[in-house]
Amino acid sequence: DAKTTQPNSMESNEEEPVHLPCNHSTISGTDYIHWYRQLPSQGPEYVIHGLTSNVNNRMASLAIAEDRKSSTLILHRATLRDAAVYYCILRAYGGATNKLIFGTGTLLAVQP
Amino acid sequence: DTEVTQTPKHLVMGMTNKKSLKCEQHMGHRAMYWYKQKAKKPPELMFVYSYEKLSINESVPSRFSPECPNSSLLNLHLHALQPEDSALYLCASSQERLAGPYEQYFGPGTRLTVT
Repeated sequence: DAKTTQPNSMESNEEEPVHLPCNHSTISGTDYIHWYRQLPSQGPEYVIHGLTSNVNNRMASLAIAEDRKSSTLILHRATLRDAAVYYCILRAYGGATNKLIFGTGTLLAVQP
Repeated sequence: DTEVTQTPKHLVMGMTNKKSLKCEQHMGHRAMYWYKQKAKKPPELMFVYSYEKLSINESVPSRFSPECPNSSLLNLHLHALQPEDSALYLCASSQERLAGPYEQYFGPGTRLTVT
């Protein structure tokens, strides 16, 4: 699986948008971009995934660069509950087993 | 029901003890996973079960022994552990399809301390 690079930490203010970047310059054509987050003292939680087009769901939006070498997770209005470690993960399409390789992630702090 | 449950929440064991961690899901998922997470580190995959058969063992020492007795249950048997095995052990499950991405659902984990 290709590797991802994320900033170690970011800060945001409550009710403001947050843009969490992820670089994946060695992404292959069959790699999906997944985002998970882990709140304190909890297991990881799925956030969103995409392949080529931008994606929206109730939790967040995922903006994927045209060359797919980077992506950005967008939280439209951060809340205190969004303080967590956010992991950007690549997973090959068509694999017989769903194997997630977590990188070091970005620790997001949300200030009231 | 999108919940993965794990028991116990906390476990303290000596190096000569035998204990087991349990994981359960009722989402009809046919893939189940064990991860190990040390403090301030990302989760690391240990084992993957697919249709109750072990499909991936990430070179885990034999003192960790997984078992999948049925499609809803996953156990991790522990024996002769070392203090460095102290960690959060996470269980996850997902649909098992040969193509396409599918999210994993994680349990809250078992915090294991080996003394």
